[in-house]
Amino acid sequence: DGGITQSPKYLFRKEGQNVTLSCEQNLNHDAMYWYRQDPGQGLRLIYYSQIVNDFQKGDIAEGYSVSREKKESFPLTVTSAQKNPTAFYLCASSRLLAFTDTQYFGPGTRLTVL
Amino acid sequence: GQQVMQIPQYQHVQEGEDFTTYCNSSTTLSNIQWYKQRPGGHPVFLIQLVKSGEVKKQKRLTFQFGEAKKNSSLHITATQTTDVGTYFCAGSLNTDKLIFGTGTRLQVFP
Repeated sequence: DGGITQSPKYLFRKEGQNVTLSCEQNLNHDAMYWYRQDPGQGLRLIYYSQIVNDFQKGDIAEGYSVSREKKESFPLTVTSAQKNPTAFYLCASSRLLAFTDTQYFGPGTRLTVL
Repeated sequence: GQQVMQIPQYQHVQEGEDFTTYCNSSTTLSNIQWYKQRPGGHPVFLIQLVKSGEVKKQKRLTFQFGEAKKNSSLHITATQTTDVGTYFCAGSLNTDKLIFGTGTRLQVFP
């Protein structure tokens, strides 16, 4: 079954802790993305990656970090520097880094900071 | 910066009524994509429009890209309860970032 998986589905974190969200795809896509969605809002781009070992900041990268050591994997770390981390986090991938390409989304991780 | 606004923010309709959401950009777009997100789910790609004035149909859904490539609309004819969800437009300027609209949440009452 091809697709994008994200884990965990729900995540609770204490203030001041770093947490890493997993994203894996078996679609053989080159490009991967992380978005943040707040209630009643659209999606905002955090980071994106065109190829292994390369990634670029999106609109709201502050307080986040990523790595792309394998084509299939693009984990996102929410650091303690992120002031308001409670949100729904969506990972996506596309065949190429062309924003005209269809983006395929994972099921998302809902992060709550206690 | 580039912004993509959608109206209305919410729409409640009776099953069988039509529904339209509008997407407006502050700048000319190279293309527009539409996604649907079911409650508790993730966005799923519906369609992409590229040409000025383009109209595409998917069963009861009609998508339109404006002549100036700054606006787009999604019209659903005779809504069904399965149409419930949030509809997002997303536009890009050449190969620049994909900017998602604010979304329109559709509720359909049986």
